Amino acid sequence: DGGITQSPKYLFRKEGQNVTLSCEQNLNHDAMYWYRQDPGQGLRLIYYSQIVNDFQKGDIAEGYSVSREKKESFPLTVTSAQKNPTAFYLCASSLPRDNEKLFFGSGTQLSVL
Amino acid sequence: AQTVTQSQPEMSVQEAETVTLSCTYDTSESDYYLFWYKQPPSRQMILVIRQEAYKQQNATENRFSVNFQKAAKSFSLKISDSQLGDAAMYFCAYRDFGNEKLTFGTGTRLTIIP
Repeated sequence: DGGITQSPKYLFRKEGQNVTLSCEQNLNHDAMYWYRQDPGQGLRLIYYSQIVNDFQKGDIAEGYSVSREKKESFPLTVTSAQKNPTAFYLCASSLPRDNEKLFFGSGTQLSVL
Repeated sequence: AQTVTQSQPEMSVQEAETVTLSCTYDTSESDYYLFWYKQPPSRQMILVIRQEAYKQQNATENRFSVNFQKAAKSFSLKISDSQLGDAAMYFCAYRDFGNEKLTFGTGTRLTIIP
C-alpha cells in the first residue's frame, strides 16, 4: 500500500542532543513537508522540499535541519539549538499542483527528558 | 502574511444533527485554495474538502459542504447528519496559487453527543 511512514512514533531527547525523525514515502510525490504541532495551535511549517537536493525554510526553521538526497526520504534533525523541541511532528507529501491535497504520516511525538 | 482564524476552539453537536465550523482568512491574493482537514484521536490528518477560490460554486463531499464567501474571506464547514466518527479536531487551511506553503488555523475540536 502507498503511503507515508514516520518513525519512531515516540522519541525522547536529552539536553544538548541532536535527534533525527524519519519520513519515507512510496507515493512518488515530488513535494515533501515537515510540520510541527503544539497543543492549542495549528500546524506550523518547518521545512519543505519540491525536488531532490533542494529544500526551503518554512516559518519556524530555526533549530532544525533537513536533507533530501532521495525522492522517497525527507529526514528532519532537531538540533540542540532548538530550545523547545517538545511537540508532535508531522511529515507530508503531495503532487506539485496547488490544489493537491497533502498526504500525512502518522506523526512523531518528541519529548525532552 | 496570510493568516487563518478559527474562532471556535470547541464545538459540540447531537448525533444526526447539523453543525457549522467557522473559518476566516486574511489575504491580498485573488487566486488561492482552501481546505478543511480532520484530525481524529489517532492524530492522522485527513483531507475533508477543498475549494478553489476561482470557483463560485461551493464544494460538497457527501455529508460535508462549505459556505465560501470570497468577499467576506469566510470559509465555513457544514457537517450534516453528524456521526460519532466525525468527532475530531478540524483545521482550516489556506494556500496561495503557485505557493507550496499551506497555512493552518488553530483548529476546532468537535464533540459528537450520542
